[in-house]
Amino acid sequence: KQEVTQIPAALSVPEGENLVLNCSFTDSAIYNLQWFRQDPGKGLTSLLLIQSSQREQTSGRLNASLDKSSGRSTLYIAASQPGDSATYLCAPPSNSGYALNFGKGTSLLVTP
Amino acid sequence: GAVVSQHPSRVICKSGTSVKIECRSLDFQATTMFWYRQFPKKSLMLMATSNEGSKATYEQGVEKDKFLINHASLTLSTLTVTSAHPEDSSFYICSAFGQGVYEQYFGPGTRLTVT
Repeated sequence: KQEVTQIPAALSVPEGENLVLNCSFTDSAIYNLQWFRQDPGKGLTSLLLIQSSQREQTSGRLNASLDKSSGRSTLYIAASQPGDSATYLCAPPSNSGYALNFGKGTSLLVTP
Repeated sequence: GAVVSQHPSRVICKSGTSVKIECRSLDFQATTMFWYRQFPKKSLMLMATSNEGSKATYEQGVEKDKFLINHASLTLSTLTVTSAHPEDSSFYICSAFGQGVYEQYFGPGTRLTVT
């Protein structure tokens, strides 16, 4: 079963800082990996999708990297803003299909 | 990106009653829909995989007779929590995946409270 670990569990930074969220997973035989944000009491918003053939994917201030062989992905957030406050989840698929596996996420608070 | 809706967004019911939650893909045909459950401060956990026109596949520990899933069309899957109990209170989220869609899109979730 795919196990997902995200570090740190929680992070509080002042506005403007660049930050890195880390994700590790146990089964590296994945075809892609998605990063999501979840606001309190809400569903998931897809941020980035990285295919297994890619090493990086960028969207605005977000950059995600994927190292399949080591079972790691990182999400880099540049120039953080208070609106970035949310829980960030990385989700590799299971080794038996398309269903996604989730860790507990990183809870981010960006203070003004 | 693609849009997935869920209805209702919030429901309170009495113990012993049944509740139906709908998940719709609004602008694409979802050949596969997934149902997840999230307890407070916990990870999302996959409950079942729903393929259009066939029986759902349930994860270990999820009772198929209690959580009835129907995926009758390419745009609609329903989850019915039968004889709900307080321990079924949770946040239920669906996701959809399908033709021409290479990532999963999630619905906004349904908060179920069983009193």
